[in-house]
Amino acid sequence: ETGVTQTPRHLVMGMTNKKSLKCEQHLGHNAMYWYKQSAKKPLELMFVYNFKEQTENNSVPSRFSPECPNSSHLFLHLHTLQPEDSALYLCASSGEMNTEAFFGQGTRLTVV
Amino acid sequence: GENVGLHLPTLSVQEGDNSIINCAYSNSASDYFIWYKQESGKGPQFIIDIRSNMDKRQGQRVTVLLNKTVKHLSLQIAATQPGDSAVYFCAENIGGTSYGKLTFGQGTILTVHP
Repeated sequence: ETGVTQTPRHLVMGMTNKKSLKCEQHLGHNAMYWYKQSAKKPLELMFVYNFKEQTENNSVPSRFSPECPNSSHLFLHLHTLQPEDSALYLCASSGEMNTEAFFGQGTRLTVV
Repeated sequence: GENVGLHLPTLSVQEGDNSIINCAYSNSASDYFIWYKQESGKGPQFIIDIRSNMDKRQGQRVTVLLNKTVKHLSLQIAATQPGDSAVYFCAENIGGTSYGKLTFGQGTILTVHP
């Protein structure tokens, strides 16, 4: 248990569906992140939020829409995804006092 | 952009042996490096980190070495156990005080045989 919880753990969705991934951290951290982990590729940073404000969008397609209502919660809204978007989506958080980032277990997304 | 990469994609060792996993980085301005372990079905788990003002840092059964001259990072695991079997990633902090803003290497699969 890392203190970062992601739901759902698994998600299968059609290309016309709308779904959301949720991340919650119980560590009192101020920064939260979304990463994408595809097969045979390194983890790719998607979005960075600091104190609820988005500070980084790493050229992510608009069919991925993040939302950070407070420093403890992070969402990733999904709309009209493509099969190549199938991947493990990881959430992480970090604080100002500790240097390491903590990752959640991830959501395994399959787009059919 | 600049990348952090690994020399060896797989490493197979016998239980009790020492393991060494290597990583090359290209951004000479990087000042913070981290090793993560990822087991099947789980997210990356922090193992150990090192700042650029250090050459070596030790944890419990793990040691990270940093050679800034050749931009090389290594993770040494002593007395490797079957539970150490996982994918190991080196990562480079690219976000200053945003410590989760990381560039990851491709990963090395470590398999420990009993």
